[in-house]
Formats: sequence, structure tokens, C-alpha cells
Amino acid sequence: EDQVTQSPEALRLQEGESSSLNCSYTVSGLRGLFWYRQDPGKGPEFLFTLYSAGEEKEKERLKATLTKKESFLHITAPKPEDSATYLCAVTAETSYDKVIFGPGTSLSVIP
Amino acid sequence: DSGVTQTPKHLITATGQRVTLRCSPRSGDLSVYWYQQSLDQGLQFLIHYYNGEERAKGNILERFSAQQFPDLHSELNLSSLELGDSALYFCASRTAGANVLTFGAGSRLTVL
Repeated sequence: EDQVTQSPEALRLQEGESSSLNCSYTVSGLRGLFWYRQDPGKGPEFLFTLYSAGEEKEKERLKATLTKKESFLHITAPKPEDSATYLCAVTAETSYDKVIFGPGTSLSVIP
Repeated sequence: DSGVTQTPKHLITATGQRVTLRCSPRSGDLSVYWYQQSLDQGLQFLIHYYNGEERAKGNILERFSAQQFPDLHSELNLSSLELGDSALYFCASRTAGANVLTFGAGSRLTVL
């Protein structure tokens, strides 16, 4: 069964303190891996799509990377407005019509 | 505004009742996904429709059903409601070729 896990469950950072979030996946042939940001009480917002091992995508202070078994979301010099839950999701070659989400990492950036 | 419209925003009802949640996808999108998000669980995939046809099912309870109409809006019907059905229900649409889900603002269901 396709599965996505994320760690840590929660992370508190001081403003400017860089760190990484992890997403591990088990799928029968990865078709795509996605990162979303979710603010409390709102719908997730799309950040990145990664398709193959070695691929990297960047947006402002965020950088997503992909290996054959996991993805990392690196946050460089975070600001309080980066506080949110970050969700990882996958689609598999054999089940393209399903998008399976991980449990998320709740990030708090303290001024 | 994401372009995906969900109604109602909030709904409070009693156990045993039935409710209908509605979703209109972004203009031009044919796909509609439904997810349930409760406090102790992440986003749980319920069901996916494409142009009126059911394409994939997740862990959707038998008490729940959905459909997508010719105008592409979708409805999620929840019946014989239990306390544990209290959650945020999200709808998302996927743009063909973009492989990205765009989510609505959600419908918060409280079952008392």
C-alpha cells in the first residue's frame, strides 16, 4: 500500500535558524511528489512538484529535494511568516488518480 | 481565492443526521477530489471524480457517498452521522497536465 510519513511531527525554530523537514514514501513507482503549505483552518497551498531522484526546486527560503526513498524541504533563515504545517504528498504510477498525503510537520518560527 | 468553491463553510448537526457538502472546481478543471481532515489524522483521501466518472476511492465509509454532476460541481453526502465524523472536509480540483491540486477553503462539520 502506498504510504507517506513525515518527520518531525512538530518543529520550533528561532528566526534565522535553518533546518530541514523529511518526507519518506513507499509507493509502487513514483509518479510525482508534492509539497504543500497549510495555514490553520485553511486549505493546503501548493509549493513544489518533484518527479525524479536528484531533482531540486527552490522558492524564496524553501528548497525541496528528492531521492529514491525520501524528500527534504530545507528552510533557510526562516521568518515567523513561514510558520505553518508542511504537507508532503505522492502519486504512484499504478494509482495516478489518488494523491496520498503524509501527516505533516507543524513548523513554528519564533521571533 | 483559489477558484475552488465549497459550501457551507460551517455546519453543525446532530448524530444520526445527513448532510450534503458542495464543491465547484476551478473553471476548466474536470477533476474533483474530496479529503477529510480531523485533528488526530492528516488529510485522508476519500474519493476522486473526473468529468462525472468515479476514478478512485480511498478509505471512504459506506455511510458516505459522492457524485459529480454534468456542470462538474460535486456533492459529498454524509449520512447516519457520528461524533467521529466531525472534521474539516476539503475539496480540490486538478488542472489537466499541471498535476497540481488546488484546494477550496473547506467545510467544517461539527456533529453534536
